[in-house]
Amino acid sequence: QSVLTQPPSASGTPGQRVTISCSGSSSNIGSNSVNWYQQLPGTAPKLLIYSNNQRPSGVPDRFSGSKSGTSASLAISGLQSEDEADYYCATWDDSLNAVVFGGGTKLTVL
Amino acid sequence: EVQLVESGGGLVQPGGSLRLSCAASGFTFSNFWMDWVRQAPGKGLEWVANIKQDESEKYYVDSVKGRFTISRDNAKNSLYLQMNSLRADDTAVYYCVRGLLGATPHWGQGTLVTVSS
Repeated sequence: QSVLTQPPSASGTPGQRVTISCSGSSSNIGSNSVNWYQQLPGTAPKLLIYSNNQRPSGVPDRFSGSKSGTSASLAISGLQSEDEADYYCATWDDSLNAVVFGGGTKLTVL
Repeated sequence: EVQLVESGGGLVQPGGSLRLSCAASGFTFSNFWMDWVRQAPGKGLEWVANIKQDESEKYYVDSVKGRFTISRDNAKNSLYLQMNSLRADDTAVYYCVRGLLGATPHWGQGTLVTVSS
């Protein structure tokens, strides 16, 4: 059971907008910023969003992040087949003194 | 080019030990927190441990406390993970990561640790 809760799966058709949620608590998301990672099959994760809503250079602006209270969200607009991957949220937990990940969301492009 | 190259993985019996190494290049190693993250076969990501630039702070996930030790050698641009009393549920790909929660994280390719008799 992960400290951060993500839906195990999400899906959409090409061109659609999909949102993936990440729910935590006051000791993690509520007091620290969130990073989002994309993991394509057989590869190491890649940073998509840092500090809740910042995109690294090279990440398409189709990807956006937000945070409100103890929850964070990743939105993907204009869904493409190459977006099919696993997505993880991560942050620091002040009570555990540990990095915590969400359980991951498998995105399927139909 | 930033590179992180893990080594030291392999097959080990339950109760055994392994030492993972991560060789860093292409950036100023001593400027960054470093993390170890693992991923069991077919499972999600699990953070294992991290270490501050000067080794003054080290943190671990509860399941490895007292068994794993993270360390670094800034002169050798290297990160280490000493793993003792290994268990079957430690089986995973172990990734070395530069600044996991920062703005410019970088991941190695991972090294597989298999704990089995």
